[in-house]
Amino acid sequence: DTGVSQDPRHKITKRGQNVTFRCDPISEHNRLYWYRQTLGQGPEFLTYFQNEAQLEKSRLLSDRFSAERPKGSFSTLEIQRTEQGDSAMYLCASSARSATNEKLFFGSGTQLSVL
Amino acid sequence: KQEVTQIPAALSVPEGENLVLNCSFTDSAIYNLQWFRQDPGKGLTSLLLIQSSQREQTSGRLNASLDKSSGRSTLYIAASQPGDSATYLCAERNSGNTPLVFGKGTRLSVIA
Repeated sequence: DTGVSQDPRHKITKRGQNVTFRCDPISEHNRLYWYRQTLGQGPEFLTYFQNEAQLEKSRLLSDRFSAERPKGSFSTLEIQRTEQGDSAMYLCASSARSATNEKLFFGSGTQLSVL
Repeated sequence: KQEVTQIPAALSVPEGENLVLNCSFTDSAIYNLQWFRQDPGKGLTSLLLIQSSQREQTSGRLNASLDKSSGRSTLYIAASQPGDSATYLCAERNSGNTPLVFGKGTRLSVIA
């Protein structure tokens, strides 16, 4: 499979626990994005990397959220002290930075439920 | 602030009908616009990308247009099929270094 891979597909956790999600982008893609989507809404941007550098973080990304892409390949998104409001689908996307035809390719997402 | 609006929120059509989905955006300096399909509980599949210098893109039964002056894009689906049932999302960006901003999507049901 040469697409964007996300793990796990589903995560159920109790409020206050920490969770970590992983994203493996398409191998030649140098950009990696994290989005969050709740039911009936479009995806909301969280953060993105170009290679290993985190270039932008949304104001939605509170101090409890941290993302890394240590070697410019896979990325992890950690949520500390989860809250019920964190329940959502977390989507990862990758792209090859080019000109105006930069196209994002999404993974299947990680569905988080905080009880 | 960038905003993307999609109308209608939901649409139901009989099989075989041609249909148009609408997307409007507030950015006058659009960089590119991308249309996606999302099946329930799944990720997004890219359908078409229109660069700011283009007016339309076509792929099979799909045609997307871009009118920067009016801040609108349309996705035209010809001869709709039940397998086209999904949520269709549009997203735009205003530079090469800013992220895509999404609309809430149009949920399409094609009835056999």
